[in-house]
Amino acid sequence: EDQVTQSPEALRLQEGESSSLNCSYTVSGLRGLFWYRQDPGKGPEFLFTLYSAGEEKEKERLKATLTKKESFLHITAPKPEDSATYLCAVQAGRDDKIIFGKGTRLHILP
Amino acid sequence: DVKVTQSSRYLVKRTGEKVFLECVQDMDHENMFWYRQDPGLGLRLIYFSYDVKMKEKGDIPEGYSVSREKKERFSLILESASTNQTSMYLCASSPQGRNQETQYFGPGTRLLVL
Repeated sequence: EDQVTQSPEALRLQEGESSSLNCSYTVSGLRGLFWYRQDPGKGPEFLFTLYSAGEEKEKERLKATLTKKESFLHITAPKPEDSATYLCAVQAGRDDKIIFGKGTRLHILP
Repeated sequence: DVKVTQSSRYLVKRTGEKVFLECVQDMDHENMFWYRQDPGLGLRLIYFSYDVKMKEKGDIPEGYSVSREKKERFSLILESASTNQTSMYLCASSPQGRNQETQYFGPGTRLLVL
């Protein structure tokens, strides 16, 4: 069964303390992997799309990487405004289904 | 910028009422989606549409129906609302045809069914 698992479920960091969020997947025929940021009470906001192993994308303090089994969202020197839930989703299979992980709640302490 | 709007941010309805949730996108996207999001369960796909007047069931279509009469508008209908349909409802759209690409989400509608 196709699956997307995000870890950890929740993460508390001090401001400036770099870390990584993980998204592991077991799917057949990956077509794309997506990262979103979601603030409380709002819809997910698109961050990145990755298509093939070895690909990397950056935006401000965020960098997403992709291997054949997982993706990492690296956060460098985070600020309190980076606090949010980060969602990972994969598009895969013959029907191009999109499967979301349950997210990682990130809290950056000032 | 892609803009996806949803008709209500908050909605309170009574059990048995018929509920309409409207979603409009302004980027001429072919694909539109309805999800619900619940704590601990993540996003679950209810219905999606690849084109006008087309609809396909997602993972949890029971108790819901949809309508897509115009390309920019995708409506979710709860025929007879029940308390277990209390949730955050998210609409999304994406460009291109069956080869789904990045989805852009609306702000969500938080529905409470009493």
